[in-house]
Amino acid sequence: AQKITQTQPGMFVQEKEAVTLDCTYDTSDQSYGLFWYKQPSSGEMIFLIYQGSYDEQNATEGRYSLNFQKARKSANLVISASQLGDSAMYFCAMRDELYNAGNMLTFGGGTRLMVKP
Amino acid sequence: EPEVTQTPSHQVTQMGQEVILRCVPISNHLYFYWYRQILGQKVEFLVSFYNNEISEKSEIFDDQFSVERPDGSNFTLKIRSTKLEDSAMYFCASIRTRDSNGYTFGSGTRLTVV
Repeated sequence: AQKITQTQPGMFVQEKEAVTLDCTYDTSDQSYGLFWYKQPSSGEMIFLIYQGSYDEQNATEGRYSLNFQKARKSANLVISASQLGDSAMYFCAMRDELYNAGNMLTFGGGTRLMVKP
Repeated sequence: EPEVTQTPSHQVTQMGQEVILRCVPISNHLYFYWYRQILGQKVEFLVSFYNNEISEKSEIFDDQFSVERPDGSNFTLKIRSTKLEDSAMYFCASIRTRDSNGYTFGSGTRLTVV
């Protein structure tokens, strides 16, 4: 079974600073994918970034980067140059990527990020 | 940017009533999902659907739940006899292929059972 743990229920960051949101995972699968989603107060789920377990380089998408440390089973999200619009709930998620596995997402409990002006 | 559309955005229903939540996935996507999020809690997988049948379902998805793709575009979640604990945000999601990187989520339906 897969498990995602986000240990920071809430975080503050000053506008324009970088922030790291923690995510650790537990799985016995050899092939898996890691995702981050943003959920603003309006409620929708917005895909941010993806990292495959066999990807050798950390994923980056604009101001988002994923600090993937496979041996430590961590997949932290780094947001550079925080903006007020980054205030939201952030969810880490994973899926099993074996061919015959279900490809649904398992989510962590989320971290609420608040950006201070 | 293609969207997953969910209707209604809010639904209030009496306990014991049937509800149908509707979703229109992105047209060229092949895999469809329902998730739910009880207020303040994590997002939980309910069911996945591919090739007109359920491919996976969670323990939450019991006999009170069913899914259907009646006309090739809509994807519905039916709850036959709602309970208070069914109150949650329900999200529909879709992806093009099983190894696509970006699941596209709808904006959700907030279901309140009274």
